Amino acid sequence: SQTIHQWPATLVQPVGSPLSLECTVEGTSNPNLYWYRQAAGRGLQLLFYSVGIGQISSEVPQNLSASRPQDRQFILSSKKLLLSDSGFYLCAWNSVYYDGGVSSTDTQYFGPGTRLTVL
Amino acid sequence: AQTVTQSQPEMSVQEAETVTLSCTYDTSESDYYLFWYKQPPSRQMILVIRQEAYKQQNATENRFSVNFQKAAKSFSLKISDSQLGDAAMYFCAYRSAYSGGSNYKLTFGKGTLLTVNP
Repeated sequence: SQTIHQWPATLVQPVGSPLSLECTVEGTSNPNLYWYRQAAGRGLQLLFYSVGIGQISSEVPQNLSASRPQDRQFILSSKKLLLSDSGFYLCAWNSVYYDGGVSSTDTQYFGPGTRLTVL
Repeated sequence: AQTVTQSQPEMSVQEAETVTLSCTYDTSESDYYLFWYKQPPSRQMILVIRQEAYKQQNATENRFSVNFQKAAKSFSLKISDSQLGDAAMYFCAYRSAYSGGSNYKLTFGKGTLLTVNP
């Protein structure tokens, strides 16, 4: 069965410090991977998605970046954190399948999340 | 761009009773998927139920069922025989069925906080 891991679970960082959040998926190959952020009292906002190694698309301009160095590894980074970067970060994955040569995707499944507090 | 609206920020229900959470969405697409996710205090997002827009039959998963009204762009979640463990934030989400680009992303509503009273 497939599982998704995120670490760390909780992080407290000072303003201006770097950030690295990691997400890994097990039990599947070539998944689509996603980073979402959930601010307090709000829904989820897509930050980045990736359809393959080294392929990153950004949804929202910000001081965050993402990388996918391996098929099942997705990293969210920042060189200098801002107060507004505080929130709950969720990684998600879904499998991709092909039907008549057209790609399609399945339900997204989420990791346990990382709570980031920037002070 | 698609939007998802959950008009009930909070709802409460007595244990063993039934509650319905509302969701409306706006899209110009004809083929898409709709989801309900549950976020308990642990904050992990858990899939509750999924509906394909091309299917007229409403999806059902045990005590959870949906009322999907495509013309009205409405997608409500009914929880029957509510249990204490159902207490959580519930999010409605939309995803395009068309492949490529950001069509893969989920668009979420702002959520409904459900309280279950013993």
